[in-house]
Amino acid sequence: AQSVTQLGSHVSVSEGALVLLRCNYSSSVPPYLFWYVQYPNQGLQLLLKYTSAATLVKGINGFEAEFKKSETSFHLTKPSAHMSDAAEYFCAVARFGNEKLTFGTGTRLTIIP
Amino acid sequence: SAVISQKPSRDICQRGTSLTIQCQVDSQVTMMFWYRQQPGQSLTLIATANQGSEATYESGFVIDKFPISRPNLTFSTLTVSNMSPEDSSIYLCSVSRATEAFFGQGTRLTVV
Repeated sequence: AQSVTQLGSHVSVSEGALVLLRCNYSSSVPPYLFWYVQYPNQGLQLLLKYTSAATLVKGINGFEAEFKKSETSFHLTKPSAHMSDAAEYFCAVARFGNEKLTFGTGTRLTIIP
Repeated sequence: SAVISQKPSRDICQRGTSLTIQCQVDSQVTMMFWYRQQPGQSLTLIATANQGSEATYESGFVIDKFPISRPNLTFSTLTVSNMSPEDSSIYLCSVSRATEAFFGQGTRLTVV
């Protein structure tokens, strides 16, 4: 079975500072990994995905994530936080590309002016 | 990509009643997924709906409570039956295409 663990249900960073949201996965097979963002009262939007190609994945809005098999991690980073990045972020895993997703518990990102 | 339309976008319902949520996709897909997001929580898969067969339910979800229809390759409905306040959640429809999952805007259900 697949699972993901997101460390830190709430993360606060200053505007312009580094954003680091942590995600560790457990999977019996090479996983497909995803980061989604949910803005208040909106649906989910895909930030980026890992599908067994390049281990460093670049997504939208300046976000990127690195797949590290040895650490079973897929942490999300952004070099410089912007006020518009304030949202809920979900890490998710699937066994293959078109299968159901298993979501982490989410991390609420707050940006401090 | 895929464009998903869900109706209704929100509703307030009396306990003991049922609500049917509709999900329409702009192109044919084999599998459609229904998720629940309880207040302040993450998304939990309710069931997978395949056209022409019974939906597959996840542990903790049963067909009597959440009956699903999948009459064709672009449409599905989820019914929340005999509602209680604990059913107050956002219900989301999702499809996958080319290793990416797409989500509807969700149905925000409040049971009073």
